[in-house]
Amino acid sequence: EDQVTQSPEALRLQEGESSSLNCSYTVSGLRGLFWYRQDPGKGPEFLFTLYSAGEEKEKERLKATLTKKESFLHITAPKPEDSATYLCAVLLNFGNEKLTFGTGTRLTIIP
Amino acid sequence: DSGVTQTPKHLITATGQRVTLRCSPRSGDLSVYWYQQSLDQGLQFLIQYYNGEERAKGNILERFSAQQFPDLHSELNLSSLELGDSALYFCASSATGYEQYFGPGTRLTVT
Repeated sequence: EDQVTQSPEALRLQEGESSSLNCSYTVSGLRGLFWYRQDPGKGPEFLFTLYSAGEEKEKERLKATLTKKESFLHITAPKPEDSATYLCAVLLNFGNEKLTFGTGTRLTIIP
Repeated sequence: DSGVTQTPKHLITATGQRVTLRCSPRSGDLSVYWYQQSLDQGLQFLIQYYNGEERAKGNILERFSAQQFPDLHSELNLSSLELGDSALYFCASSATGYEQYFGPGTRLTVT
């Protein structure tokens, strides 16, 4: 069965303390892996798409990387406004275009 | 702002009732997706429409139905509502079938 697992479930960091969030997947054929940011009560906001192992994307303090079995979202010198839930999702090679989401990592940055 | 709009923002209704949620995709996007997000289930794919036709179905209950109109807006109809249907309902749209852009959601509360 296709699965997407995110860890940790929750992470509290001091402002400026860098860390990484993990998304591991066991799927039969990956077409793309996506990272979203979600604030409480709001819709997921698209961050990155990764298509193949070795690919990296960067945006401000965030960098996403992809291997054959997992993706990391690295956050460098975070600020309180980076506090949110970060979701990863996969799009499979076969079948429909539905995104299969992980349960997310709730990130809190303490000033 | 993703460019995807959803109405209403909040909906409170009683068990057994029927409601309609509305979504307008980003300009030019032909695909519309509906997702349900509850506390215990995370984001779950319900159904996809492409240019007016149903393209894919997820774990959508028989009490739920959707359609996409010629102007590409979409409606999700939920009937015989139960307490467990209380959730956030998101619409997303895509031009490419890869990146999906989410609306702000409709929070449904069934009492």
